[in-house]
Amino acid sequence: AQSVTQLDSQVPVFEEAPVELRCNYSSSVSVYLFWYVQYPNQGLQLLLKYLSGSTLVKGINGFEAEFNKSQTSFHLRKPSVHISDTAEYFCAVNAGGTSYGKLTFGQGTILTVHP
Amino acid sequence: DTGVSQNPRHKITKRGQNVTFRCDPISEHNRLYWYRQTLGQGPEFLTYFQNEAQLEKSRLLSDRFSAERPKGSFSTLEIQRTEQGDSAMYLCASSPAMMYTDTQYFGPGTRLTVL
Repeated sequence: AQSVTQLDSQVPVFEEAPVELRCNYSSSVSVYLFWYVQYPNQGLQLLLKYLSGSTLVKGINGFEAEFNKSQTSFHLRKPSVHISDTAEYFCAVNAGGTSYGKLTFGQGTILTVHP
Repeated sequence: DTGVSQNPRHKITKRGQNVTFRCDPISEHNRLYWYRQTLGQGPEFLTYFQNEAQLEKSRLLSDRFSAERPKGSFSTLEIQRTEQGDSAMYLCASSPAMMYTDTQYFGPGTRLTVL
């Protein structure tokens, strides 16, 4: 079985500052990792995903994440945030194989960007 | 491509009543997933369809819950004899048939409140 832990439930940050949202996972098999964003009253939207290859993954809206197998982490970063980045962010893992692609999500991190 | 749609967006019901939600996936997406999201938590997997076949059900899906996907198009999720613990956001997602690592596209969800 796999699990995901998002280490911060809330992250406040000022506009134009850098931000890192932390995610750790555990799994007994190879994993595929995702970050989704949820804006108020909207569905989840994919930011980026790691399947294989380069451990640094670039996504939409200037976000990037780095897969670290030895530390079982997949932290999300952005060098300069905007007010519009205020949302809830979810890290998720897909164990592949017979899991039929179902996603296991972390508890979410609420990012609040202040002017 | 109009995205995944869900109806209704909000449902308020009294304990003991039956409710049914509908999900219309992106056309030609063969895979359809249902998740449940409670306040302060990430989405949790409920069930998965490949075309019209329901291939996996979570242990979260008690016998009061039933899901269908007739003809492999839209899907319905029915909850019988609702309980206050069923109050949550019910999310539907669809993905193309190529790989289990394909992106899942989420609908806006149906928020259920059981009084």
